[in-house]
Amino acid sequence: GAGVSQSPRYKVAKRGQDVALRCDPISGHVSLFWYQQALGQGPEFLTYFQNEAQLDKSGLPSDRFFAERPEGSVSTLKIQRTQQEDSAVYLCASSFARREQFFGPGTRLTVL
Amino acid sequence: GENVEQHPSTLSVQEGDSAVIKCTYSDSASNYFPWYKQELGKRPQLIIDIRSNVGEKKDQRIAVTLNKTAKHFSLHITETQPEDSAVYFCAASTPEDMRFGAGTRLTVKP
Repeated sequence: GAGVSQSPRYKVAKRGQDVALRCDPISGHVSLFWYQQALGQGPEFLTYFQNEAQLDKSGLPSDRFFAERPEGSVSTLKIQRTQQEDSAVYLCASSFARREQFFGPGTRLTVL
Repeated sequence: GENVEQHPSTLSVQEGDSAVIKCTYSDSASNYFPWYKQELGKRPQLIIDIRSNVGEKKDQRIAVTLNKTAKHFSLHITETQPEDSAVYFCAASTPEDMRFGAGTRLTVKP
């Protein structure tokens, strides 16, 4: 079956631009997670959804970061006024029962 | 919140030798401990996991041990092969969230 998909796979933005990253979780998975992975580091938790409810957004680094999952399926991570330190791979993961998380391929964001 | 420490950050072994990666966690509420393997440019893939009611779990050449009292868990890979070369991440999960270690870059030399 289809796994978690993310788009775009690569995004280059000029500093100050807004970007939107999309995640399509595995069908039926109620839990969805966003992580930020800097080069050579482990995934850092950003935010967590259960269906359409955003239950934890404690990892979002600033108010420039915003995530939504309006219908409890597809999720979008938006970064406003991007800065160079936002450059990273953004990983999305989904799970059925908040246990095994299945990761998407990630979106590599480069801010120039 | 949960804090996960992982050691070593890099590990180089000869093909056929064993590799051990260790993690510690801080939140006693953590009850699920997965290990992920990430190859360069690819997504993390779950290789094994253990729940808090079990002390050890084995799957072919891979085993994980958990010591809840000491709050540490370890990944053991036996008879390493070059294709085991990757970055390995441990994680600790409470009912509310999951936190990852910083990763161990394993290199298996033929």
